[in-house]
Amino acid sequence: GENVEQHPSTLSVQEGDSAVIKCTYSDSASNYFPWYKQELGKRPQLIIDIRSNVGEKKDQRIAVTLNKTAKHFSLHITETQPEDSAVYFCAVEGGTYKYIFGTGTRLKVLA
Amino acid sequence: GAVVSQHPSWVICKSGTSVKIECRSLDFQATTMFWYRQFPKQSLMLMATSNEGSKATYEQGVEKDKFLINHASLTLSTLTVTSAHPEDSSFYICSARDRLAGDQFFGPGTRLTVL
Repeated sequence: GENVEQHPSTLSVQEGDSAVIKCTYSDSASNYFPWYKQELGKRPQLIIDIRSNVGEKKDQRIAVTLNKTAKHFSLHITETQPEDSAVYFCAVEGGTYKYIFGTGTRLKVLA
Repeated sequence: GAVVSQHPSWVICKSGTSVKIECRSLDFQATTMFWYRQFPKQSLMLMATSNEGSKATYEQGVEKDKFLINHASLTLSTLTVTSAHPEDSSFYICSARDRLAGDQFFGPGTRLTVL
């Protein structure tokens, strides 16, 4: 089955700096890659997603890049703010629409 | 936007009892719903795929007789944790796939504590 690896597990950045989180996957047939932000005790919130026919997508300070050949995709957050502090999960949509999640990255933005 | 609700939001039960958790899509129809379990400081682990009108598909290692799933309508799936034990204590989250749009939406989660 699909295997999703996510790095780093923790990331601390100074406010205003950029943060990058990377995920790799194993199933070359996967074609949908969402990113979620989860705050403690809350549901995951979709922040950006990308489909396999696109290499990059941007939404204000957040961007996602996809390299289908290498089977990896990355989340980029620019001009980080304290409210960006949370746990971020990548996911890969496998067969029958199910999502396989990465292990998560705890992002801390230091003021 | 699309809304998915879960009930209850939290539950505390005694070891050996059964607990039912409901997942509802409030403004769209969902032929497919998913149940996840999340232990503290861990990722979401898919437990099973719930299909309306048919049997659920369980992930490897998930006991189907312990985690009973019923998806009797296009807006409701239920997860029953039977004979719950302390190791079943976790955050259970459902997601529902919009039958028409194809997007998935997560419920707010149910925190289960088994004493």
